Amino acid sequence: AQSVTQLDSQVPVFEEAPVELRCNYSSSVSVYLFWYVQYPNQGLQLLLKYLSGSTLVESINGFEAEFNKSQTSFHLRKPSVHISDTAEYFCAVRRMDSSYKLIFGSGTRLLVRP
Amino acid sequence: DADVTQTPRNRITKTGKRIMLECSQTKGHDRMYWYRQDPGLGLRLIYYSFDVKDINKGEISDGYSVSRQAQAKFSLSLESAIPNQTALYFCATSDLKGTGADGELFFGEGSRLTVL
Repeated sequence: AQSVTQLDSQVPVFEEAPVELRCNYSSSVSVYLFWYVQYPNQGLQLLLKYLSGSTLVESINGFEAEFNKSQTSFHLRKPSVHISDTAEYFCAVRRMDSSYKLIFGSGTRLLVRP
Repeated sequence: DADVTQTPRNRITKTGKRIMLECSQTKGHDRMYWYRQDPGLGLRLIYYSFDVKDINKGEISDGYSVSRQAQAKFSLSLESAIPNQTALYFCATSDLKGTGADGELFFGEGSRLTVL
């Protein structure tokens, strides 16, 4: 079985500061990795994903995540956050041999303060 | 208009009442899902459907039922609502073909259900 751990339930940070949201996973088989973002009063939307190839993946709004197989981690980072980045961020995994089931972490609420 | 539409967006009901949450999509996707979101627990899969004739239980299906009326419509029912079913419910879609093949889900805006 797969599991996803997001240890930080809330991360407060000042605007323009760097941030890292941690994600660790457990799986006996190879997995694909995802970060979803949920802005207030909205559904989740895909932020970025790791399927194969380069272990560093980037989003269009400046976030990046690095797949570390040895540490079974997929931490999300941004060098300088904006107020508009305030949202809840979910890490998720999917077995490479399963085409449907995403396992989500419990989420990390990023609160960006002016 | 949203690609994945959920109704109602908010509902307050009483214990024992039957509730239906509806989802419709214009993305043309074959696969539809119902998730439940609880604070601190993330999202958990209730039911999923790969096409109109294929419906499957997720990890927390007890107390829920679903109906796939058409490719574009997938409804979730609570036959007899109880307070611990108070949660935010999300419908999602995906497509095995194209960009959906890598597992991307497209979510509705959610239906907040409160059971008193």
